[in-house]
Amino acid sequence: AIQMTQSPSSLSASVGDRVTITCRASEGIRNELGWYQQKPGRAPKVLIYAASSLQSGVPSRFSGSGSGTDFTLTISSLQPEDFATYYCLQDYNYPRTFGQGTRVEIK
Amino acid sequence: EVQLVESGGGLVQPGGSLRLSCVASGFTFSHYWMTWVRQAPGKGLEWVANIKQDESQKFYMDSVKGRFTISRDNAKQSLYLQMNSLRADDTAVYYCARDETYYHSGAYYDAFVYWGQGALVTVSS
Repeated sequence: AIQMTQSPSSLSASVGDRVTITCRASEGIRNELGWYQQKPGRAPKVLIYAASSLQSGVPSRFSGSGSGTDFTLTISSLQPEDFATYYCLQDYNYPRTFGQGTRVEIK
Repeated sequence: EVQLVESGGGLVQPGGSLRLSCVASGFTFSHYWMTWVRQAPGKGLEWVANIKQDESQKFYMDSVKGRFTISRDNAKQSLYLQMNSLRADDTAVYYCARDETYYHSGAYYDAFVYWGQGALVTVSS
């Protein structure tokens, strides 16, 4: 199975900060990667698919980039509602695999 | 409105069995692949299994192969996960999700837009 490694595991940031989360695949997955946001006690929400395509209804402060093995999720200006845990998910092959998550906390 | 409602969770002893159900409404269930994702308490997300519209293809994560079986009943708009030989590390909230397929720049991509609320499975003696 393809391993997805996110970094950092957690970060502290302030409202208005630019935040970057990275995800590395153990082998090339083209651009077949999505990003999900999860808040405590809630189901995940898709933010990005195909590495850089913004899901309908998701604010434009979220963006994704990358191809092959290295991917990035960027939040251009962190808002109070963005404090959550973020996961990458490869949909290149089976079994699908998630990264271990990055928790974004308030500084 | 798209809705996915899981049921069937509960407490089961190691080695026991449990069957989860997910009833879909607000869309034509038979048109979509469906997926199970789980999350152990305080841990990250794990993709568990998915199933094609006509059940002709099913895929599983390695640790549940041979123990879990995904199935569906399109007439009942329902998705199932039969879990046998349960272990303590199967303890988790189990979510069902609808697979969206996007065609973008000449390729197909998957995403999970709609999720259920989750069903808690606890494996303990």
